[in-house]
Amino acid sequence: EDQVTQSPEALRLQEGESSSLNCSYTVSGLRGLFWYRQDPGKGPEFLFTLYSAGEEKEKERLKATLTKKESFLHITAPKPEDSATYLCAVQAGGSQGNLIFGKGTKLSVKP
Amino acid sequence: DGGITQSPKYLFRKEGQNVTLSCEQNLNHDAMYWYRQDPGQGLRLIYYSQIVNDFQKGDIAEGYSVSREKKESFPLTVTSAQKNPTAFYLCASSIGANTDEQYFGPGTRLTVT
Repeated sequence: EDQVTQSPEALRLQEGESSSLNCSYTVSGLRGLFWYRQDPGKGPEFLFTLYSAGEEKEKERLKATLTKKESFLHITAPKPEDSATYLCAVQAGGSQGNLIFGKGTKLSVKP
Repeated sequence: DGGITQSPKYLFRKEGQNVTLSCEQNLNHDAMYWYRQDPGQGLRLIYYSQIVNDFQKGDIAEGYSVSREKKESFPLTVTSAQKNPTAFYLCASSIGANTDEQYFGPGTRLTVT
């Protein structure tokens, strides 16, 4: 069964304290792995797509990496405005476009 | 501005009533999706459509129905057969169905009492 597990469920950081969020997946042939940011009461906002092991992508303080079993979202020197829930999703080979989502990591950054 | 709109933002209904949630996109995307989000759970796929006049059931389609008569529109009807309809509903679209990132609308929070 295709599955996505995110850890930790919640993460509290001080402003400037770098850390990483984990997304472990089991899928029959990965087509793509996606990271989203979701603010309370709003729709997810697309951040990154990763397609193959070893691939990395960056955007401001965020950097996403991918291995054959997991992906990391590294947050460097976070600011309070980075507080949100970060969602990971995978698209399996043979699927017709539907994504399998993890439950998310709720990040809180305190000033 | 291109994007996905969902209306209304909040919706209240009495048990036993059908309700239709609107989703419109002006991104010229072929594929559209409906997800449901409940506290402590990941997004779950209800229905998706890769092309006009065609759609497929997702993981939790029971109690829901959709139509795709226009490329821009993909309304979702929550029927009285849905046992736990209270949830946050999210519509998304992508250029195509394979490996393309999905872009989400702002969501509709449905409360059924």
